[in-house]
Amino acid sequence: GAGVSQSPRYKVAKRGQDVALRCDPISGHVSLFWYQQALGQGPEFLTYFQNEAQLDKSGLPSDRFFAERPEGSVSTLKIQRTQQEDSAVYLCASSLPGTSRSEQYFGPGTRLTVT
Amino acid sequence: EDQVTQSPEALRLQEGESSSLNCSYTVSGLRGLFWYRQDPGKGPEFLFTLYSAGEEKEKERLKATLTKKESFLHITAPKPEDSATYLCAVSFSGGYNKLIFGAGTRLAVHP
Repeated sequence: GAGVSQSPRYKVAKRGQDVALRCDPISGHVSLFWYQQALGQGPEFLTYFQNEAQLDKSGLPSDRFFAERPEGSVSTLKIQRTQQEDSAVYLCASSLPGTSRSEQYFGPGTRLTVT
Repeated sequence: EDQVTQSPEALRLQEGESSSLNCSYTVSGLRGLFWYRQDPGKGPEFLFTLYSAGEEKEKERLKATLTKKESFLHITAPKPEDSATYLCAVSFSGGYNKLIFGAGTRLAVHP
């Protein structure tokens, strides 16, 4: 399949642990996005990359959240010192070179549970 | 404040009973309005993009329309396999390419 893939699909972390979530976008897609989805809610924007440049990180909820895409392909979202309020599904999406008129294609998400 | 509101929150239909889902938005400089379908435990699946008022798009039993303030997703003669959460999202000028999503409408179609 040529879709967006994410790993792990499920992650359980104890409060205070660091976690790293991986996203493999669709090949050739320049734009990459991270969203956070709470139960029963729509996804909320976290951050946006165009190639390796992080152009918008206005949605990151605190400085414990960090994202990178060093080679303009795979991206990692890192959460340091996890808190219970970080429990959510983290979605990655990619789109063709892009504009705000381009549709985004989503991966299956990583469900993070902080205990 | 840029905002997307979907109604109803949940909708139960009998198979074959047509209905519409609503998405109202308040953003400056709409660039695109997107409809997605999300099944439990999966990521959103792209359905349609609408760009300007008066535009319509169709796919099987689904038809999306757009006005200056809202969009409708019309479902004609739904089947149980149409059961899912339907999400509406917008992109806007000055927002880079990020999407603002509504909370979704949970649709259940019963045989």
